[in-house]
Amino acid sequence: SAVISQKPSRDICQRGTSLTIQCQVDSQVTMMFWYRQQPGQSLTLIATANQGSEATYESGFVIDKFPISRPNLTFSTLTVSNMSPEDSSIYLCSVESGREAFFGQGTRLTVV
Amino acid sequence: AQRVTQPEKLLSVFKGAPVELKCNYSYSGSPELFWYVQYSRQRLQLLLRHISRESIKGFTADLNKGETSFHLKKPFAQEEDSAMYYCALSDSWGKLQFGAGTQVVVTP
Repeated sequence: SAVISQKPSRDICQRGTSLTIQCQVDSQVTMMFWYRQQPGQSLTLIATANQGSEATYESGFVIDKFPISRPNLTFSTLTVSNMSPEDSSIYLCSVESGREAFFGQGTRLTVV
Repeated sequence: AQRVTQPEKLLSVFKGAPVELKCNYSYSGSPELFWYVQYSRQRLQLLLRHISRESIKGFTADLNKGETSFHLKKPFAQEEDSAMYYCALSDSWGKLQFGAGTQVVVTP
């Protein structure tokens, strides 16, 4: 299993600013995943973060908007840049262990 | 392209009644399918996976490749089953494609 600590748990931000979300895992994992859950919607994968290489982004997501860092095997950050109200969502960090996905508690972001 | 479809956004059932959550998928290879659940104020967690062929909290799900379905069933719903349920499909790299989710409300 894996225990994930994600912070902040929520934030209210001004449009045009950036927010960095942190994800800490209690064990070493090869890949970490970042998901977005827009209001009333399901989870959508933003990118896969590997240690030592650039993140791999899904269609519709770009590095300039969602830069990701993965400095070691237990930590990753996702930045939401130049925010607009459309970025208001829950952002979730996830890892896989034993073919089971484990999730952080999520970061509820509101952009005003 | 892979896709997961959950046609019901909301399922309201009485305690003790059977409940079935529908999930259909499209995938070009051999799919690995899961049901994840999110109880109120808790994080998303695994309920069951098709390869385990197990029953968790009274829930079962059978992969039907002919109908490309992975419906979740429980013969007697309990109030603690009220939650959001997501059907998900995994590729070989561990990335998950989620369905839209079904909110289950079990009323006494």
